[in-house]
Amino acid sequence: VQLVQSGAEVKKPGAAVKVSCKASGYTFTNYHVHWVRQAPGQGLEWMGIINCNGGNVGYGQNFQGRVTMTRDTSTSTVYMELSSLRSEDTAIYYCARENLGCVDVWGQGTTVTVSS
Amino acid sequence: QTVVTQEPSLTVSPGGTVTLTCASSTGAVTSGCWPIWFQQKPGQAPRSLIYRTSDKHSWTPARFSGSLLGGKAALTLSAVQPEDEAEYYCLLYYGGVQPWVLGGGTKVTVL
Repeated sequence: VQLVQSGAEVKKPGAAVKVSCKASGYTFTNYHVHWVRQAPGQGLEWMGIINCNGGNVGYGQNFQGRVTMTRDTSTSTVYMELSSLRSEDTAIYYCARENLGCVDVWGQGTTVTVSS
Repeated sequence: QTVVTQEPSLTVSPGGTVTLTCASSTGAVTSGCWPIWFQQKPGQAPRSLIYRTSDKHSWTPARFSGSLLGGKAALTLSAVQPEDEAEYYCLLYYGGVQPWVLGGGTKVTVL
């Protein structure tokens, strides 16, 4: 069972980034996936969640209007797209699977750097 | 906006016991909030320790336990080891538009 995230990204302010999280070793549609990020020297910040079965999403208040989470059941992959990037979005982005309140497996993290 | 509050920092001696708490701005934390606790060490991804208030993963050391205490979720570390020095976060479920809220984390120092 693992979640494998896409590689590091460098983006300019105002651009968008799309990070993927590919699941393997379990039934993809039986779980939700959370996205959490951590800016340098800061704590974790919850970004949102997607139901990998129906595709329903819920986003953190700080990200509403700027984040979009989708999933592709044919490839067991979840995507997190963050738009209108600014320097404060420089962070490590993590995905984690959850089912009925149990979060167990985490992705390895994806570093996103926003710099002009 | 719902806020989840944790102690910013706690210090414990090796072999001692420390309890971290997780409070909700909406009122008492209940089992329906499905409290989850994560541990994160510098340079590492978070690691899940406790889910649904008190359930442990197979990798969770026995010295970690979760509970509800005085209207808050609590994580107790007993017989603390030096390797328990880390940041600990709680995550609570509320449902609705913003279904989960993460606490600000507690830095535990073993000294």
